[in-house]
Amino acid sequence: QITLKESGPTLVKPTQTLTLTCSFSGFSLSTIGMGVGWIRQPPGKALEWVSLIYWDDDKRYRPSLKSRLTITKDTSKNQVVLTMTNMDPVDTATYYCVRGSGSYTLPFHNWGQGILVTVS
Amino acid sequence: SSELTQDPAVSVALGQTVKITCHGDSLTSYYTNWYQQKPGQAPVLVIYAKNNRPSGIPDRFSDSNSGNTASLTITGAQAEDEADYYCSSRDTSGDHLIFGGGTKLTVL
Repeated sequence: QITLKESGPTLVKPTQTLTLTCSFSGFSLSTIGMGVGWIRQPPGKALEWVSLIYWDDDKRYRPSLKSRLTITKDTSKNQVVLTMTNMDPVDTATYYCVRGSGSYTLPFHNWGQGILVTVS
Repeated sequence: SSELTQDPAVSVALGQTVKITCHGDSLTSYYTNWYQQKPGQAPVLVIYAKNNRPSGIPDRFSDSNSGNTASLTITGAQAEDEADYYCSSRDTSGDHLIFGGGTKLTVL
C-alpha cells in the first residue's frame, strides 16, 4: 500500500521560510521513472504544480517560484523536503505531496491528504 | 504556451454522457492526465497517458485527443461523478507540468 503524508507548519509569517516534509511508504524513489512532487491549491482555486524531484535527482520547479524553491530527497528515509523562502499571503494553500510514474507526463497516482499552510 | 484552458462549469443529466474539454498548445505533443476532486478531498487520478484508467476507476471514464484539445468523456454519468475535474500535461517546453483551471461538473 502506497501512502504519502505531508508535515510542517500550518501557520507561517510573511517573509519566513516554509519547510514541508513528505514522508512516504510503499515505493522507492530509487525506482527508474519515479518522481515525487508538490502540488498546491489556494482556497477555492485550481491546482498548481509546484515542484518535482525524480529518481535520478533531476529537479524541476514552477517557473514563477523557481528562485524561492528547493526540493531534496532522502531515499534512505523515504522523505522529500520542499523549502520555500520569502513566504507571502498569496502562498496560502493546501500543499499536497504526490507520487508520479508511468508516463512522460508523470501522472500522479497517489496523493497525500494535504496540509493547509496559512501565511499571515 | 504554458496554459491549459477548461470550461469553468458543465452540467449533465443523470445517466447521460458528458464531455469535459481541455485546450492547450502543448497537447499536440503530450498526453493529458485527468483528475477528479470532490469537496474536501485530495484529487484522484482517473485517466492518464492516452486512455489508461487506474485500478478502481469505472470504465465509463475515457479520454480522447484532437489536435490541441483533450476531452474527458463520462458515459452514463452518475451522481457520484459530481466533482471538479482537472486536466494536466507538460508545457510546450516539456520541462514543467501544468494544470488546467478545472471544470465543475454538476449531475442533475
